[in-house]
Amino acid sequence: AQSVTQPDIHITVSEGASLELRCNYSYGATPYLFWYVQSPGQGLQLLLKYFSGDTLVQGIKGFEAEFKRSQSSFNLRKPSVHWSDAAEYFCASTWNTGNQFYFGTGTSLTVIP
Amino acid sequence: SQTIHQWPATLVQPVGSPLSLECTVEGTSNPNLYWYRQAAGRGLQLLFYSVGIGQISSEVPQNLSASRPQDRQFILSSKKLLLSDSGFYLCAWRDSQYYGYTFGSGTRLTVV
Repeated sequence: AQSVTQPDIHITVSEGASLELRCNYSYGATPYLFWYVQSPGQGLQLLLKYFSGDTLVQGIKGFEAEFKRSQSSFNLRKPSVHWSDAAEYFCASTWNTGNQFYFGTGTSLTVIP
Repeated sequence: SQTIHQWPATLVQPVGSPLSLECTVEGTSNPNLYWYRQAAGRGLQLLFYSVGIGQISSEVPQNLSASRPQDRQFILSSKKLLLSDSGFYLCAWRDSQYYGYTFGSGTRLTVV
């Protein structure tokens, strides 16, 4: 069955340090991939998405993600984390225009001064 | 541009009371609409989706129901709330071209 896995439940990084949040998907076909961010008490905001083409995609707030077919991964990265990046991050995928949309369980990011 | 409105932002309701959460979308027609629930410490669970007026699909058996009386309106309801209905409820719409979701700002429901 299709699924999305975020192996890290919680990550703590220092402000200014680099960040990488992991996401893996399971399915043979190439999916459409997304990263969302959720600040406390808020809805989810789209950071970036991958459909096809260049496997390195740029998003808002200085985030980027790289699609690696060989590893079935779509990891989110940021070179220098800011305190305002503390939030919950969700990876998601879909394989068609139907209603099957799969979310990971989320990674909670804490940023320490 | 498309926007999605969800209200109320927070709600505290006693067990056994009814519930009505409303979601409306602007700037698009015939959107696919969704209700998700996010329980504390858990991921997102799809509750209902609708591809058109009066068309509701339920993903999980539960104490809740959904209705779509108008093209851009999606309502989540319950006749009698349970403690287990507490959570963060998110409405979303999906653009068939874009494939991804746009989420509302959510409703924090606490059943006491």
